[in-house]
Amino acid sequence: AQKVTQAQTEISVVEKEDVTLDCVYETRDTTYYLFWYKQPPSGELVFLIRRNSFDEQNEISGRYSWNFQKSTSSFNFTITASQVVDSAVYFCALRLLSGYSTLTFGKGTMLLVSP
Amino acid sequence: DADVTQTPRNRITKTGKRIMLECSQTKGHDRMYWYRQDPGLGLQLIYYSFDVKDINKGEISDGYSVSRQAQAKFSLSLESAIPNQTALYFCATSGDINPGSTDTQYFGPGTRLTVL
Repeated sequence: AQKVTQAQTEISVVEKEDVTLDCVYETRDTTYYLFWYKQPPSGELVFLIRRNSFDEQNEISGRYSWNFQKSTSSFNFTITASQVVDSAVYFCALRLLSGYSTLTFGKGTMLLVSP
Repeated sequence: DADVTQTPRNRITKTGKRIMLECSQTKGHDRMYWYRQDPGLGLQLIYYSFDVKDINKGEISDGYSVSRQAQAKFSLSLESAIPNQTALYFCATSGDINPGSTDTQYFGPGTRLTVL
């Protein structure tokens, strides 16, 4: 069975600091997708990014960047120059490509950005 | 208008009551899901449906049932609510029916349920 671990339960930073959220996954499958979702204080879940296991290129979107390393089974998320609006719970998730697999979520990391 | 809606958004009920949470989507997706979120536990899958005639149990289906009334509607029922079912419930949808697709799930706003 697959598993996603987000070892950081809560991270606190001051605005403008850079912060990295860790995600480590376990699966015996060689083909899969990885996802990050954001849950702001308002409660909704917002899709941020997906990455397939064939593509280890890092991705940057504005202040957000993602580092996928298959060798260490990690898919880490970095926020550069954090802002108060980045305060949220962030979830990493895994979906296998075999059959009709569903999402396996990590337990989430709560990020608190103070002014 | 939101693509995935959930009603009610908040509900307080008593132990032993039957309650239904409803989910509707306008995304035209075939797949729908119900998740439960408890503090510190992330999201756990309750049930999922890949089309109107297909219903599958997730990790924590005990105490819950579902109904897929139409492609766009997927309801979650608690036949006899108990306090440890107090949680935030999310509905999600995804659209690509092909195995091996990205099948990104999009979530509704959530229903906060309290069982006293």
